[in-house]
Amino acid sequence: AQSVTQLDSQVPVFEEAPVELRCNYSSSVSVYLFWYVQYPNQGLQLLLKYLSGSTLVKGINGFEAEFNKSQTSFHLRKPSVHISDTAEYFCAVSVGGSNYKLTFGKGTLLTVNP
Amino acid sequence: KAGVTQTPRYLIKTRGQQVTLSCSPISGHRSVSWYQQTPGQGLQFLFEYFSETQRNKGNFPGRFSGRQFSNSRSEMNVSTLELGDSALYLCASSFGGLAATDTQYFGPGTRLTVL
Repeated sequence: AQSVTQLDSQVPVFEEAPVELRCNYSSSVSVYLFWYVQYPNQGLQLLLKYLSGSTLVKGINGFEAEFNKSQTSFHLRKPSVHISDTAEYFCAVSVGGSNYKLTFGKGTLLTVNP
Repeated sequence: KAGVTQTPRYLIKTRGQQVTLSCSPISGHRSVSWYQQTPGQGLQFLFEYFSETQRNKGNFPGRFSGRQFSNSRSEMNVSTLELGDSALYLCASSFGGLAATDTQYFGPGTRLTVL
């Protein structure tokens, strides 16, 4: 079975600073990887996804992530954060085949301070 | 295009009661998935429906059930509520073709509180 570990439960940063949110996964088969963001009192919104091809994936709101198969990681980065990026970020994995589901990490709360 | 809608947004029930939550997917989407979100366990997959059939199921007791109608709208039912069922229940829809690679679009959730 697949699993996802988000190494930091909380990440505080100052506005305009760079940020990296870490995600590691475990799976015995090929995976598809996703990052979602959840703003307070809202559902989840897809930031980006890796299905195949280039290991550097660009998403919305200036976020990008790099798939590293050897390190089984899919870290999310943004070069300069804004106050409005304050939210909870979830890394998720799915595998192919008939037993489809999204397996989520526990989430990382990103707090951007002025 | 309208997003995924869930009703009601908030619900308070007492132990032992049952509850039904509703989800209307994005027009044209045929797959609906349900997730439970709690502070302790995070986001956990409940089940997925495609064309009125349950295609995938997570590790939840039989008290949790669901169904999908011909218009792709879905309902989730929890019987004999327990305190631990208090959670945010999220519904997500997708086209449903290649399930593992589909983008899932989430609704705002239903906040269930069990007293």
